[in-house]
Amino acid sequence: GQQVMQIPQYQHVQEGEDFTTYCNSSTTLSNIQWYKQRPGGHPVFLIQLVKSGEVKKQKRLTFQFGEAKKNSSLHITATQTTDVGTYFCAGPRGAGGTSYGKLTFGQGTILTVHP
Amino acid sequence: NAGVTQTPKFQVLKTGQSMTLQCAQDMNHEYMSWYRQDPGMGLRLIHYSVGAGITDQGEVPNGYNVSRSTTEDFPLRLLSAAPSQTSVYFCASTHGSGGWNEQFFGPGTRLTVL
Repeated sequence: GQQVMQIPQYQHVQEGEDFTTYCNSSTTLSNIQWYKQRPGGHPVFLIQLVKSGEVKKQKRLTFQFGEAKKNSSLHITATQTTDVGTYFCAGPRGAGGTSYGKLTFGQGTILTVHP
Repeated sequence: NAGVTQTPKFQVLKTGQSMTLQCAQDMNHEYMSWYRQDPGMGLRLIHYSVGAGITDQGEVPNGYNVSRSTTEDFPLRLLSAAPSQTSVYFCASTHGSGGWNEQFFGPGTRLTVL
């Protein structure tokens, strides 16, 4: 079945350092989403990428979708303590309209930021 | 709007007991899902629904039942709890339109099965 792998599992950085997490799917994805989960909280949607090679930015966060639509990355520039949490990528389990509400999540990257 | 709500927040069960985890959303979303989260394994889909009266299995459905009698509610039933079902359970909903698949998650239910 479809698998979504995410690395690294853990990342410790000093405040101000950059951070990147990578996501790889065993199948081509129609889109990919990223979520952030604060410790003790629930996943919160960050972004959805749809187009091959797409790059989107949200302030210090840069999201990329690979040309083959099988991989993606999230890069945070100059991390802050507010960036602490687990970052998940997720891809739809089906095609088109059948995939709504059905996601395969990566294992997540737990980011710790030391002040 | 309250968004997606879940009750209870915490629950402890003994092996063999049954219970229902409640989930409700007030955004008129057609699509609702249940996920479980275990350390190092991300979130795994248990069951999902594409509308009232329609449900289907996800990746890890064994030991769980669902029903969807209204658009708002999507309860998850544990038939006979087992220690392997100790986990954090999240309910999610999405409008699902035009390829946009943003999931709105509830606060979660932390379940321990002894």
